[in-house]
Amino acid sequence: NAGVMQNPRHLVRRRGQEARLRCSPMKGHSHVYWYRQLPEEGLKFMVYLQKENIIDESGMPKERFSAEFPKEGPSILRIQQVVRGDSAAYFCASSPQRATDTQYFGPGTRLTVL
Amino acid sequence: GQNIDQPTEMTATEGAIVQINCTYQTSGFNGLFWYQQHAGEAPTFLSYNVLDGLEEKGRFSSFLSRSKGYSYLLLKELQMKDSASYLCAAPTGTASKLTFGTGTRLQVTL
Repeated sequence: NAGVMQNPRHLVRRRGQEARLRCSPMKGHSHVYWYRQLPEEGLKFMVYLQKENIIDESGMPKERFSAEFPKEGPSILRIQQVVRGDSAAYFCASSPQRATDTQYFGPGTRLTVL
Repeated sequence: GQNIDQPTEMTATEGAIVQINCTYQTSGFNGLFWYQQHAGEAPTFLSYNVLDGLEEKGRFSSFLSRSKGYSYLLLKELQMKDSASYLCAAPTGTASKLTFGTGTRLQVTL
């Protein structure tokens, strides 16, 4: 009974490159959330998706960031032209329904931008 | 909007009891979550309170007072492995995302 899976666990990119982070929700979960945790700071909501739909992207930076959750395959968080300030831990969580159900977190992807 | 406050750091002794407080101001209330996060790891679910009162789960208990906008996490018989950050979080009025406090870093000492 696998939990939320994220890969890669660690990602190093140079400024200007693209970062692609993947998340596979728990079996039976159709709701995916992405959060970012900057060093020494709390988790901040980025985006909430269901299959093929972005429900709430109020926490996403307006430029360079995008997310998708296709009908088949994992959810992808994509960061184009990364900058040093994008260095953070990116966590994915999933729930069976909405956020009033417990969200279960994946192990995170630690992005380092050189 | 949401505003969640909790102490930044706490220290307690192995075997003791510690209470971690959380105050919140929300535009709508859909319950309150507590998560534990060890350094470099994912947050793991501890408790969810939607009604007033105390809920006990082994060594961990969580309390909620909706009228006071207040919750606490109580950890008994502290063990060294309890050294972690404890995150208080609330769903928003639209219940689509969690707003987290900054977390309380608990250090358990001998």
